[in-house]
Amino acid sequence: SQQGEEDPQALSIQEGENATMNCSYKTSINNLQWYRQNSGRGLVHLILIRSNEREKHSGRLRVTLDTSKKSSSLLITASRAADTASYFCATSPREGNAGGTSYGKLTFGQGTILTVHP
Amino acid sequence: NAGVTQTPKFRVLKTGQSMTLLCAQDMNHEYMYWYRQDPGMGLRLIHYSVGEGTTAKGEVPDGYNVSRLKKQNFLLGLESAAPSQTSVYFCASSSLGGPKGQPQHFGDGTRLSIL
Repeated sequence: SQQGEEDPQALSIQEGENATMNCSYKTSINNLQWYRQNSGRGLVHLILIRSNEREKHSGRLRVTLDTSKKSSSLLITASRAADTASYFCATSPREGNAGGTSYGKLTFGQGTILTVHP
Repeated sequence: NAGVTQTPKFRVLKTGQSMTLLCAQDMNHEYMYWYRQDPGMGLRLIHYSVGEGTTAKGEVPDGYNVSRLKKQNFLLGLESAAPSQTSVYFCASSSLGGPKGQPQHFGDGTRLSIL
């Protein structure tokens, strides 16, 4: 089963515009991560936000986390053609052992395909 | 700075054949993972390992076996390949991070077709 559900499934914008992708999940988490995947390549980690954080920035990326709504968003500002890729959210579930650790296991959403037109 | 290396990159098998996918990481990571990615879906965890000599089942383990004899290597085996196992397989690794978590580092995948 897919923990994260992403919206929209596909997004097409012009260079310079902002791109916003949303992710919803179902269970308690330790952290939520965003990854990018270029066509034919592996996933590349973008940003990790912990369950006690509400917002995080990295360059042109801004991630928010609302644990009460079990949702997160990824904002890419001033997009470039090179940002064209699939973007995935992934959640690290909080498990029932003493430390709450899930040994780094992640559950991925289905992804958003972002196309940025020059 | 190789990171995570997967071999082979492509393979075509006939139903019933067996093969082993190799994953190697040079970052001294404790945790390693095998995922499969199918069209229109995110990655699904097959098996994972939290250290040398240990393995555990993920979400979709049936039809696969794994071994972690050396810390840097994680092998994924298909004993009797089936067409349903046609997929792109990704290996990933991460360092210890406790409940706060660490990012995973991915290889570029193995594209496997079962005829």
